[in-house]
Formats: sequence, structure tokens, C-alpha cells
Amino acid sequence: NAGVTQTPKFQVLKTGQSMTLQCAQDMNHEYMSWYRQDPGMGLRLIHYSVGAGITDQGEVPNGYNVSRSTTEDFPLRLLSAAPSQTSVYFCASSNSGDEPQHFGDGTRLSIL
Amino acid sequence: GQNIDQPTEMTATEGAIVQINCTYQTSGFNGLFWYQQHAGEAPTFLSYNVLDGLEEKGRFSSFLSRSKGYSYLLLKELQMKDSASYLCAVADYKLSFGAGTTVTVRA
Repeated sequence: NAGVTQTPKFQVLKTGQSMTLQCAQDMNHEYMSWYRQDPGMGLRLIHYSVGAGITDQGEVPNGYNVSRSTTEDFPLRLLSAAPSQTSVYFCASSNSGDEPQHFGDGTRLSIL
Repeated sequence: GQNIDQPTEMTATEGAIVQINCTYQTSGFNGLFWYQQHAGEAPTFLSYNVLDGLEEKGRFSSFLSRSKGYSYLLLKELQMKDSASYLCAVADYKLSFGAGTTVTVRA
């Protein structure tokens, strides 16, 4: 019973590099979301999706892209990494935005 | 916009009771969540309040007053394993989180 799976768990990038954080869920949830968590700032919503083919911006979308081609997968792309994007990234899924969300274990990303 | 406030830190003794307050001013409101997050781990769901009143789940209870924009999480019979961050989050078809309250339980 995998739940929400995030890969990689740790990553170090250089400024300007691009990468994709992967998120997959096996619970057939329609709603998926990406958050970043920085010390003293709690979880901030980056992008979210209410179903395949539908995405929308959250509180801090700049510098990130998402797509939702299938119900299961919701990858997060950093197009040109900046040190300000050093953070812990969590992916979550649920039946809707108003139901308890299941979180992945997180990706710890450092940008030098 | 969303404005969600909760205390930064609280300390309590094992076996005691701690109350974590959360106040919110948000453009929309469908309900309020509480999550627990241990250091280095993902948040886990504790409670969800939609209507005014108290919801009790074992040692944890959560209260909501929609008219006052106020909620609290009550932790009773504190145990060392309750040392964690507690996150308040407002649901409006998506979640907005407060900064979290770090609770330290001392022997």
C-alpha cells in the first residue's frame, strides 16, 4: 500500500539547473498538490490539480511548472533553479481540496 | 487573502494539558484541519472541523467557532511522543496553512 510516493528524497542542484520532482499516488485521488516548507513559514501551496488535465496556481507558483496528464502522477518542474528554492517539498493527494490530505515523505532540495 | 495565526512554540510537562490556538481571517472557509508533524517527517491528519463545536478523538480534541474565526487543538495527558509541530490549516477547496506551533513535552 504505497500511498503517495515522492522521488527523489534528497537532491542538490547548482543554480540554473532544471529538474523534475516526481509524485505518484495509487489511491485514485482526484486532488493533488505541491507545497514547500521553509523554517518558520509553514507549508505554502505551490500548485494544485483537481483532476487530470486541470492545474492551478497556489500561493507561491513562480519558478515552478506542473502538469497532470494522468490521475496518478503530478510532477513539479523547476525550470532554472535558484538558491531561494532551497526547501523541503511535499506532495499530497486527497479526494478533494476539503478532505484530509495524504502527504508523501518529502523531497529535500538544496540549490547552491 | 488568507491570514492564519498560531503561537510559535509551547512547552508543557508530561501528563499535562496543552491548548494550541489558531485564529484565521480568510476569504473563504469550508472547514479547518489540524495536522501533526514530527521533525523530519510528513504531516499527518489529526482532525477536521466544519461546524461549530468540539470534536473529540481520544486524547486530542479540536474546537471551532466560525463566527469568531477561532479554533483550538487540545492535547490531554501529554506524552513524550506528542513533541511535534501542530499545523492549523483552513480549507477553501485548497488548504492554507498557518506557520505551525512547536510543542515540546518535558519529563
